[in-house]
Amino acid sequence: GNSVTQMEGPVTLSEEAFLTINCTYTATGYPSLFWYVQYPGEGLQLLLKATKADDKGSNKGFEATYRKETTSFHLEKGSVQVSDSAVYFCALTPRPGRRALTFGSGTRLQVQP
Amino acid sequence: NAGVMQNPRHLVRRRGQEARLRCSPMKGHSHVYWYRQLPEEGLKFMVYLQKENIIDESGMPKERFSAEFPKEGPSILRIQQVVRGDSAAYFCASSPPGGSALYEQYFGPGTRLTVT
Repeated sequence: GNSVTQMEGPVTLSEEAFLTINCTYTATGYPSLFWYVQYPGEGLQLLLKATKADDKGSNKGFEATYRKETTSFHLEKGSVQVSDSAVYFCALTPRPGRRALTFGSGTRLQVQP
Repeated sequence: NAGVMQNPRHLVRRRGQEARLRCSPMKGHSHVYWYRQLPEEGLKFMVYLQKENIIDESGMPKERFSAEFPKEGPSILRIQQVVRGDSAAYFCASSPPGGSALYEQYFGPGTRLTVT
C-alpha cells in the first residue's frame, strides 16, 4: 500500500535558521507528492507539489525535490521566520488510481524569535 | 473565487445524537473528499465523491457513517449515533475535474466535532 513517513517533531529553531523536514514515501508507480501546512485552528493549505521525478516544487521560500531513487521529498527553507510556525504534512496521491491523499503524521515546527 | 466552505465550524453533540457536516466545494470543482483528523494525528482519508456518485469509500467506517454529494447543494457527511471516539476535526477538500491540477486538493477550514 501507500504510506508516508515524516520526521517526528516538534522541531524548534531560531529565526533565520535553516529548516529541513524529512519525508520518505512508499508507493506503487509514480505518485504525485505534496507538502501541506496547517496553522493553528485552521485547515490545510497546499504549500508546494511535484508530479514527477526530479521536479522541484517551491513556494514562499520553501522547496522540495522529488527524489525517486531515494523515495524522498524533503522540505527545506533557507531562513525560517516566526510566522512559519505551523504543522507541516507530507502527502502523496497515486497516479493513476485512487485520488485520495495519503498523509504523513505531520511535523510541528516552532520558530523562536 | 471563494474557497471550500464548511459548516458548522464547531459542532457539539451528545452521545447517540446525529451529526451532519456540510461542505461546499470551490466553484468549478466537481470532486469532494472527506478526511478525519484525530488529535495530534495526520489526516485519514474517508470518502471521495463526485456529483451523485461515491467513487471511493474505502476509508469510511462501515457503520453509522454515510456521505452524499447531490446534484444540487453541498456534500454532507452524516454520523449517526455518535460516540466519544468520533470527536475529531473533519476536513473537506475539493479538486477540479481535470487538467494539470487534477491531483491538487483544496481544503476547507474543517468542522470540529465534540461528542459529550
